[in-house]
Amino acid sequence: DADVTQTPRNRITKTGKRIMLECSQTKGHDRMYWYRQDPGLGLQLIYYSFDVKDINKGEISDGYSVSRQAQAKFSLSLESAIPNQTALYFCATRSGRGPNEQFFGPGTRLTVL
Amino acid sequence: RKEVEQDPGPFNVPEGATVAFNCTYSNSASQSFFWYRQDCRKEPKLLMSVYSSGNEDGRFTAQLNRASQYISLLIRDSKLSDSATYLCVVTRSFYNQGGKLIFGQGTELSVKP
Repeated sequence: DADVTQTPRNRITKTGKRIMLECSQTKGHDRMYWYRQDPGLGLQLIYYSFDVKDINKGEISDGYSVSRQAQAKFSLSLESAIPNQTALYFCATRSGRGPNEQFFGPGTRLTVL
Repeated sequence: RKEVEQDPGPFNVPEGATVAFNCTYSNSASQSFFWYRQDCRKEPKLLMSVYSSGNEDGRFTAQLNRASQYISLLIRDSKLSDSATYLCVVTRSFYNQGGKLIFGQGTELSVKP
């Protein structure tokens, strides 16, 4: 089984709808991250969390919110989706100790019409 | 100017060729450096860390020049399976920002028979 899972893997929705993307991990890591990837722009950090009581904004948090329900779960919400939020979204985890390597989930492809 | 910039792609090379990717970063406070690999529509995965002394992993050699704020990746004897996008990544470890990755936009490599 994958260490970092994301649901759904693909989603098509309409402008104005509320969407939640979920991420779960079995690696026991305390740090979790949400990124979006757009063609030609690389990955941009949306939000990150060091533990269930710690949530921090990344570079592009406007229009997004997150919830860290447990150490293993970190969800990303779009309260009112808009077309320029169409992107590939990745969740990632990292241990608070040791190397800086982040482990990514398989991604969620979101299309907002 | 982006904080991490990479050679524009795509690089189209024949099997067996040697190919080099370059990357520059603008923030002198950057502390850790990595190359990630991303296959089409899949999640990024760590290829190798980059150290000031240079490091090698099989056919892959990474170099870091802190004075010039420059990172490189050399791939020798290219294989078809090396076809992917290569992401240059740096971290800044300010207080409470630990482990936040800054991604370049990626360089696409296509190895042809």
